[in-house]
Amino acid sequence: DVKVTQSSRYLVKRTGEKVFLECVQDMDHENMFWYRQDPGLGLRLIYFSYDVKMKEKGDIPEGYSVSREKKERFSLILESASTNQTSMYLCASSFVQGGNEKLFFGSGTQLSVL
Amino acid sequence: AQKITQTQPGMFVQEKEAVTLDCTYDTSDPSYGLFWYKQPSSGEMIFLIYQGSYDQQNATEGRYSLNFQKARKSANLVISASQLGDSAMYFCAMRELSYTGANSKLTFGKGITLSVRP
Repeated sequence: DVKVTQSSRYLVKRTGEKVFLECVQDMDHENMFWYRQDPGLGLRLIYFSYDVKMKEKGDIPEGYSVSREKKERFSLILESASTNQTSMYLCASSFVQGGNEKLFFGSGTQLSVL
Repeated sequence: AQKITQTQPGMFVQEKEAVTLDCTYDTSDPSYGLFWYKQPSSGEMIFLIYQGSYDQQNATEGRYSLNFQKARKSANLVISASQLGDSAMYFCAMRELSYTGANSKLTFGKGITLSVRP
């Protein structure tokens, strides 16, 4: 089974701190994604990457950056955490074959910024 | 403009009955994929079913089927013989396939909460 692992299930940080959210997948998938999920807003795409060292902005990239130095690892960085970044963060990876695709998600990181 | 629309309020269904969760989408790309995901209270996102825009038949996966009406741009999820474990939030999503570089961007709807009553 594909496994997408997010390093922390719960995280509490202070305003202004630099925060790293790590995500690792074990299936050699090319595509990786970071979403945030907020009540009433569904999942919103922050950044995604379709190859090592490649990244694309999603719908809400402001206040975030990403790093993909190795294929299996996709990191989300909050340079200076703010309270409006309190949210559930979901990492995902996918592989496309013949137009068909499944997106595999990690179990999420609930981040609270105080 | 919103690309995926899920407008139903919280849905309720009796155990063993069928239920339809609505999803409409908006795209000018002739090549796209449609997905449904389930998110139980534990928070994990579980893939349920996929429909490609060129697929001739509606997708089915066990008790899940996708009622794909291309002209109406709708991709409703049908769950047959509901079980208590089906209580969860359900998300519809779409990926537009024609854009180079960004061809893996997946857009989600806001979700629908389904509650199955015993």
